[in-house]
Amino acid sequence: EVQLVESGGVVVQPGGSLRLSCAASGFTFDDYAMHWVRQAPGKGLEWVSLIPWDGSYIYYADSVKGRFTISRDNSKNSLYLQMNSLGAEDTAFYYCAASSSWTYYFDSWGQGTLVTVSS
Amino acid sequence: QSALTQPRSVSGSPGQSVTISCTGTSSDVGGYNYVSWYQQHPGKAPKLMVYDVSKRPSGVPDRFSGSKSGNTASLTISGLQAEDEADYYCCSYTGHYTSYVFGTGTKVTVL
Repeated sequence: EVQLVESGGVVVQPGGSLRLSCAASGFTFDDYAMHWVRQAPGKGLEWVSLIPWDGSYIYYADSVKGRFTISRDNSKNSLYLQMNSLGAEDTAFYYCAASSSWTYYFDSWGQGTLVTVSS
Repeated sequence: QSALTQPRSVSGSPGQSVTISCTGTSSDVGGYNYVSWYQQHPGKAPKLMVYDVSKRPSGVPDRFSGSKSGNTASLTISGLQAEDEADYYCCSYTGHYTSYVFGTGTKVTVL
């Protein structure tokens, strides 16, 4: 069974930093591209970032470019999101999601971790 | 990249059909056959319902169908059931750098 489990969501002050993790199991992790998608409470989904299986390229939404860094460790079946210069607009549930290589949809999702940016 | 436009809400009685539209531009919905649809129940993670405009993952009932015409994609739920009450989001690939854009979301209510 495919499982994605996010962790690391906490309350952080504006301007602060945070690192989210996503532990994957039940599938061959390095056959999949991985994404972060976020959802502000009561709002819609927003794609955040993508990293392919080998990390050969990385893409970010304009809203996080220059502040967030996605990475992965295939030896640990783990995905990460380093978040810097956080603002209130970054308050959201952060989901990790998996895409089979050369597909353009998110076929598995984690349950999400809540990041709250507040003083 | 602006969010794709979806109706805020649609509703129908059990057994009826509802259709949710998802309008974008030639840079996203109209430019690629890579539209997907996700169902999200309150407090839950999104679930893939349709991919590549009209394909269904295994396990998704054939009551769910997708289509596209020009810059507008659609999700139709036929034979509406109580468990279909949820939020639905479309998503389109937009090319390499911006990658993906989601729709604004539609709440489906089963009357």
